[in-house]
Amino acid sequence: EVQLLESGGGLVQPGGSLRLSCAASGFTFSSYAMSWVRQAPGKGLDWVSAITGSGGSRYYADSVKGRFTISRDNSKNTLYLQMNSLRAEDTAVYYCGKDQEYYDSSDFFDYWGQGTLVTVSS
Amino acid sequence: SYELTQPPSVSVSPGQTASITCSGDKLGDKYASWYQQKPGQSPVLVIYQDNRRPSGIPERLSGSKSGNTATLTISGTQAMDEADYYCQAWDSSTVVFGGGTKLTVL
Repeated sequence: EVQLLESGGGLVQPGGSLRLSCAASGFTFSSYAMSWVRQAPGKGLDWVSAITGSGGSRYYADSVKGRFTISRDNSKNTLYLQMNSLRAEDTAVYYCGKDQEYYDSSDFFDYWGQGTLVTVSS
Repeated sequence: SYELTQPPSVSVSPGQTASITCSGDKLGDKYASWYQQKPGQSPVLVIYQDNRRPSGIPERLSGSKSGNTATLTISGTQAMDEADYYCQAWDSSTVVFGGGTKLTVL
């Protein structure tokens, strides 16, 4: 059974940093791309970042480029999102999502974690 | 940046058919996927690659595409189908979601 478990959310001041983790199990983690998707309170889904299975390629939404860094440790079956220079508009539930083997035009998320809430406020 | 447009809300009577559309430039050349999200829960994949249904998703949910518009159709709508639905596509190495449609079963 595929499981994705996010952690690391919490309250942080504007300009602060936070690192999210997503522990994966039930599938060959290194064979699949992974993504972070966020959802602000009462709003829709907003893709944040993706990383290929090997970690060799990373992709970011313009809104987080230069502030967030996605990474993975395939030996620990864990996905990360380092978030720096946080802003109020980054407040959201952050989900990790399991992509497909290849991060390409046929991509979709077949499994999602339960999400972790990040609140940016003074 | 690429955009996908969905109606904010759709209403349907129990037992009837609901259709939720998703339109985008050149969507006809891309794959569309659909997710269902109920209050307080994580999204669930219900349709991928335009019209393929994951295991465990009821047959009454189906996907189609015509031109640059993808459609999620729910036949014989049940109260349990009341949820937010999001379409998704991939463009220029980024994932794009539609704004979401709230399906109300009256």
